[in-house]
Amino acid sequence: DAGVIQSPRHEVTEMGQEVTLRCKPISGHDYLFWYRQTMMRGLELLIYFNNNVPIDDSGMPEDRFSAKMPNASFSTLKIQPSEPRDSAVYFCASSLRQVGQPQHFGDGTRLSIL
Amino acid sequence: AQSVTQLGSHVSVSEGALVLLRCNYSSSVPPYLFWYVQYPNQGLQLLLKYTSAATLVKGINGFEAEFKKSETSFHLTKPSAHMSDAAEYFCAVSPFGGGYNKLIFGAGTRLAVHP
Repeated sequence: DAGVIQSPRHEVTEMGQEVTLRCKPISGHDYLFWYRQTMMRGLELLIYFNNNVPIDDSGMPEDRFSAKMPNASFSTLKIQPSEPRDSAVYFCASSLRQVGQPQHFGDGTRLSIL
Repeated sequence: AQSVTQLGSHVSVSEGALVLLRCNYSSSVPPYLFWYVQYPNQGLQLLLKYTSAATLVKGINGFEAEFKKSETSFHLTKPSAHMSDAAEYFCAVSPFGGGYNKLIFGAGTRLAVHP
């Protein structure tokens, strides 16, 4: 089976631009999670979905961040406008419905805002 | 609130030496516990998981972890380190009854293996 697929792998853009990160979860998985990883703050959960519905977005840092999951096979994380402090590695993960199932991570998007 | 503490942000061992990475959790009931490994420029990869079937859990790449309820610990070990084990390791807990398979991660331990 294909794993979680994220695109792009790297993104470099200027401050103020809109950034869209994409994720394709593992087929059949019910949950989708977005994380951000930085040296200073470690791994932070931003938002997660159950059957395409956002469950908890309390980790989203600001209104500049938004996430959608229009169908079971696709999700986006958007930053508008982007700022240099948004520079980080963003991971998407998915898991099955049953309690105790592990999350499976993509390889991440390394985002640099200049 | 549930939490995970990984003792030692950096651990350095010689090739062939025992690897011991420490993890303690706070939970009123035994949770589900996981160890993940992250190699440079990659995502987190599942090493092993504890789901109450057995207290000693074997994972990939020769790693194992033992769940000790009395100590609220889930330490990761490997008898003999290889150079390829150099990576960052994360302990995570999925709180019992929390639903949605949400994970709470520790801060991570970076393992260095030297010749």
